[in-house]
This record gives sequence, C-alpha cells and structure tokens, in this order.
Amino acid sequence: GAVVSQHPSRVICKSGTSVKIECRSLDFQATTMFWYRQFPKKSLMLMATSNEGSKATYEQGVEKDKFLINHASLTLSTLTVTSAHPEDSSFYICSVYTTGANYGYTFGSGTRLTVV
Amino acid sequence: KQEVTQIPAALSVPEGENLVLNCSFTDSAIYNLQWFRQDPGKGLTSLLLIQSSQREQTSGRLNASLDKSSGRSTLYIAASQPGDSATYLCAVSAGNTPLVFGKGTRLSVIA
Repeated sequence: GAVVSQHPSRVICKSGTSVKIECRSLDFQATTMFWYRQFPKKSLMLMATSNEGSKATYEQGVEKDKFLINHASLTLSTLTVTSAHPEDSSFYICSVYTTGANYGYTFGSGTRLTVV
Repeated sequence: KQEVTQIPAALSVPEGENLVLNCSFTDSAIYNLQWFRQDPGKGLTSLLLIQSSQREQTSGRLNASLDKSSGRSTLYIAASQPGDSATYLCAVSAGNTPLVFGKGTRLSVIA
C-alpha cells in the first residue's frame, strides 16, 4: 500500500480556536482520501470523503462548516476543526485507497486532539 | 446499510494459544475485506486484505478467511505472543468506497 503521513500526532488547543490536521500521501497520487473519527473504545466512523480539486463529501450528521476539508493536491488533504469545543476531542485519522499491485487502504498514524 | 459486527469484543489468552477472531457483515455485496491492527493511541496497520473472489489470505502466523455468501470472515492467529496484544479491526468496502468498520476485538496475550 501507500505511505501515508499524518501530522500532528497530538495537539492540545483551547476552546474556540481552530486546528489543522494534515494528511500526506508520500508515494501515491490520491484523488480521494477519507477522514475518520474514533471515540475511545469505539470503532472508526467515516466523517467525509476528500476529493482532489472539488468539494468534500460529508457523512450525515457531520457539520461541514465545522470540519473544513481541503484537498488541493494529489498528495495532501487537510482537515481543519474550527471553533474547537471539548466535544471535538477525539482521534482523527485519514486513509488513502491505492490501486495497483499493493492495493488496499492505508491509514495515517492518526491525530489525538484534545480541546481544553 | 452495511453493518459489521465483531465477536468477541475482548479476549484474553495465555501466550502460545491459537485463537480465532470473528467478523460478520450484513451486505454480501462487498469488493474486499481488510483486517487491521490498532495499538492504543496509534493508527491502523493493515494485516490482510481479501478480495471478494478469494477465500483466504495468509501472512506469517495470521490467516484470514472469507465466506462472502454467509457474510463472515475469521482471523486466525497461531501461537499467540504478548506482542500480538492490540485491537483487531475488520472492515469491508465495495471497491473505492469508504471502509465500514466493526467495533474491533481487544486482544490481550498474557505471558
């Protein structure tokens, strides 16, 4: 599969501020990236599908104005949590689907966001 | 809507034991099924991917099987080691579409 780099791995921010999380596909040009959220001891829930050069597709119940997704290039997608609130504290993780010989889903290392 | 269930939710075994983790899914129209490992606070590591046309995949001490018609998959871990302790996630997809995950099985292998 691809090599996916996610940054930062941990971030603590104050309520009301915004936080940007980056997801980079290092060796694969990804027209599509997926953003997931994981609550403690829960499974991963898809938040949105990031499409290069166009608007992201959000899952039902996910506020698009709160979770801004930008996929400006084939190797970078960003998730910005705006006006962060303690309830936004969670583990965010991105994923890339790669085709070819080593096809499948590859995930970034995740970002632990804590809003205080 | 696809739903994925994993049983058991948690499992504790002594080192050296062989074990089976179970995964079931409601919609058999899948393209592939993928097993992942997740360590606490970390991302996901892909273990095995099975295409819908395949019945099993093997990697080292791991063997994953797929019965698409019955909506089931198993992950077999042979000769378990303490380093195998992690959460194991099963996920399915219909091709280049988002994965649908189960809630995982938390495995503890006791030395």
